[in-house]
Amino acid sequence: DTGVSQDPRHKITKRGQNVTFRCDPISEHNRLYWYRQTLGQGPEFLTYFQNEAQLEKSRLLSDRFSAERPKGSFSTLEIQRTEQGDSAMYLCASSPSTAQETQYFGPGTRLLVL
Amino acid sequence: GESVGLHLPTLSVQEGDNSIINCAYSNSASDYFIWYKQESGKGPQFIIDIRSNMDKRQGQRVTVLLNKTVKHLSLQIAATQPGDSAVYFCAENGSGGSNYKLTFGKGTLLTVNP
Repeated sequence: DTGVSQDPRHKITKRGQNVTFRCDPISEHNRLYWYRQTLGQGPEFLTYFQNEAQLEKSRLLSDRFSAERPKGSFSTLEIQRTEQGDSAMYLCASSPSTAQETQYFGPGTRLLVL
Repeated sequence: GESVGLHLPTLSVQEGDNSIINCAYSNSASDYFIWYKQESGKGPQFIIDIRSNMDKRQGQRVTVLLNKTVKHLSLQIAATQPGDSAVYFCAENGSGGSNYKLTFGKGTLLTVNP
């Protein structure tokens, strides 16, 4: 399978715990994006990387959130001191570096904070 | 400001009928649009895209129409099948130089009755 993959697919945690999600983009794609989706809503942009550089962060990304893409390949999204409001689907997407190219999404990681 | 929205939250059709899903956008600078299909528990799946220099684009059983005058986008699905049942999102990319960020609407739930 050469699509975007995400791990884990589901995560249940207690409030206050830290969680980390991983995304592996399509191999030839330089751009990687994180989105968050809550029930009944469309995905909302969180951040994106061009290779290893994080070029944009949404206001939705509070200081408890951090994303990395250390070698310009896979990316991790960490949430520290999780809150119940962090419960959502976290989606990763990738695209070639050409402007306005289609973003291809992974299956998402569904987070439930108890 | 930027916004992408949908006229109808739900659409129910009979198998074999044609489906039309509508989307309105408010930013006249939007120049690239994508339709995604999202099945329950999965990430958004690319269906078709269209650039602002086009009025119509056809794929396999799907057609996207763009009316820039009224800032309206539609997705037509021919001979709708039960497997087409999903939430459909339109997304906008590229307005105001934000060619890295997709802005999604809320989505339309399409139900295909056998």
